[in-house]
Formats: sequence, structure tokens, C-alpha cells
Amino acid sequence: ELQLLESGGGLVPPGGSLRLSCGASKFTFSNYAMTWVRQAPGKGLEWVSTISGSGALTYDTDSVKGRFIISRDNSKKTLFLQMNSLRVEDTAVYYCAKALGYCTSTNCHLWGMDDWGQGTAVTVSS
Amino acid sequence: EIVLRQSPGTLSLSPGERATLSCRASQSIGSSYLAWYQQKPGQAPRLLIYSASSRATGIPDRFSGSGSGTDFTLTISRLEPEDFAVYYCQQYGSSPYTFGQGTKLEIK
Repeated sequence: ELQLLESGGGLVPPGGSLRLSCGASKFTFSNYAMTWVRQAPGKGLEWVSTISGSGALTYDTDSVKGRFIISRDNSKKTLFLQMNSLRVEDTAVYYCAKALGYCTSTNCHLWGMDDWGQGTAVTVSS
Repeated sequence: EIVLRQSPGTLSLSPGERATLSCRASQSIGSSYLAWYQQKPGQAPRLLIYSASSRATGIPDRFSGSGSGTDFTLTISRLEPEDFAVYYCQQYGSSPYTFGQGTKLEIK
């Protein structure tokens, strides 16, 4: 069974940094775009970032642009989210998810996220 | 940014009844780029429907999706006890790939 396992969450003060990882197994990782989605306590889902299978294309929500960097290491089947300049409002459970669809050299055509990890909690507080 | 508005915010129904959930987009997203998810407390979301009307692997056929352009619907034909949860729509028509605010389906 396909597995996604997030790690790296924790408590960090405002302005701090954290790096989340998502290890993948039992599917051809490099063939799929991957996504980070977060959920603040008691709130709805918020899309954060998506990266193409090759890593050449990335997309980010406006509130994290310039602060978060999505990347991947296909040789290690691992997805990353480098989070810098963290704010209290970044407090959330962060999920990694595998995307349905495909990417060309210039654009991704995605239809949904069909497999999810269980999430890792990030708390930004002094 | 495409805004998705889900209605109603809360839907109270009984097992065996039919549920109709709506997702309206602020601009057209075509028919291929709308997905529906189910989330239960303490769990990760689960993909139900992609491309507006295609059921994901393992999803029972009581779940169906329809719509195109700006108006989309998730229908659960006969509610089972395990269907009471929060449902989200999400668009992939253009980045940012926004979610709706969710519809809570609760037992009446």
C-alpha cells in the first residue's frame, strides 16, 4: 500500500525556520506532482505549494511566497517544505499529498490529490 | 484568485436520506479541474471525486459529482452513518489551487 509519512513538525518561535519532510514509498515518486496542504486548528484546508514530478515547476499560495520553498529529492523519494520567517498564522497541521494529473515542461494539469499522509503539526509561538 | 463558496455551511440529515452539496466558483474552471474531499475528525482528507464527476478508487457509487464552469454539486444518494463528515471542494483551474470553506454534514 502506498505510503506518505511526514516529519519535521514542532514548536518554533515567530521568525524561526523549520523543514518538513515527506517520505514516499510503494509508488514511482518521480512520476507524480506533490503538494503540501495545511489546516489551522479548527479551520478548513488551505493549499500551500505544489511541485512537478521533475521538480522544475513549483506553485505557491501568495501568503507563503518568499518564505516557503517546496522541493524534492527523487533519488530519496522525499518531498520537502522549507519554512522560513514563520508567523503565528502558519500554525497548522501540514499534510503532503500525491497529485493526480500530469505536468509538461511549462504547466501542470492536475485533477485532485489521491493519497495523503497523516500530517505533521507545526506550532509557531513565543 | 478563484474563490470557491460551498453551501450550505452545515447540512443536517438522517441516514438513508439524499445529500446535495454545492460548490460555486468565482470564475469558470472548466470541468476537469474540480475535486471533492471528505474529512473526518483527526483524519487526513480523502479524495472522493476528481475532474468534477469521476469517482476516485474505492469510493462507493452512492457518491457522485456533477457540474462545469462555475457550479458544481456533490450528491450522496443514500447516506450511511460513516458519511457524516466535512466535505471540501478544490479547484485546479489556476494557481492558487483554492479550497472551499467546507460543508459539515451532520446527523439530524
